[in-house]
Amino acid sequence: NAGVMQNPRHLVRRRGQEARLRCSPMKGHSHVYWYRQLPEEGLKFMVYLQKENIIDESGMPKERFSAEFPKEGPSILRIQQVVRGDSAAYFCASSPRPRETQYFGPGTRLLVL
Amino acid sequence: GQQLNQSPQSMFIQEGEDVSMNCTSSSIFNTWLWYKQDPGEGPVLLIALYKAGELTSNGRLTAQFGITRKDSFLNISASIPSDVGIYFCAGQLSPAPDGQNFVFGPGTRLSVLP
Repeated sequence: NAGVMQNPRHLVRRRGQEARLRCSPMKGHSHVYWYRQLPEEGLKFMVYLQKENIIDESGMPKERFSAEFPKEGPSILRIQQVVRGDSAAYFCASSPRPRETQYFGPGTRLLVL
Repeated sequence: GQQLNQSPQSMFIQEGEDVSMNCTSSSIFNTWLWYKQDPGEGPVLLIALYKAGELTSNGRLTAQFGITRKDSFLNISASIPSDVGIYFCAGQLSPAPDGQNFVFGPGTRLSVLP
């Protein structure tokens, strides 16, 4: 019974490149949430998606960041033209239905050089 | 936006001691979750609480949903070195909105000294 899967676990990018982070929710879960965690800080909500729909993107930066959760395949968090300030751990969580307990993946640690 | 306060922010304890931490807010919640994050890993769910006054245990961990519905407590008995990590609380607002409806606290960082 696999949990939430994220890949890659570590990603290094140079300034200006694109970063693509993938998240496969737990089996039977159709709701995905993305969070960002800066070093020594808590979890900051970014975006909440259901299959093919963005439900809440109130925590997403207005530029360079986008997220999708297609009908088939994992959810993708995409960061274009990365800057050093994007360096952080990005966590994905999933739940079977809205308003239910969220289970987290192991995270992707992005380092921008 | 809604905020959760966690205290203490960090704590250093001796192995074998009991630990107490709490999570408070000015808002009312209908669910409380406690997670633990090991260094370099994602948060792992420890305990979920769904009713005011509920007291739930998971091994050496015990958590309570405050009767005012504005707070929750987590206790760890007889701490061991692997208890080191960051403990996050998360509360679900009441009523739960359609969007992101869990609010996360900033975490309590626990260090256990041998």
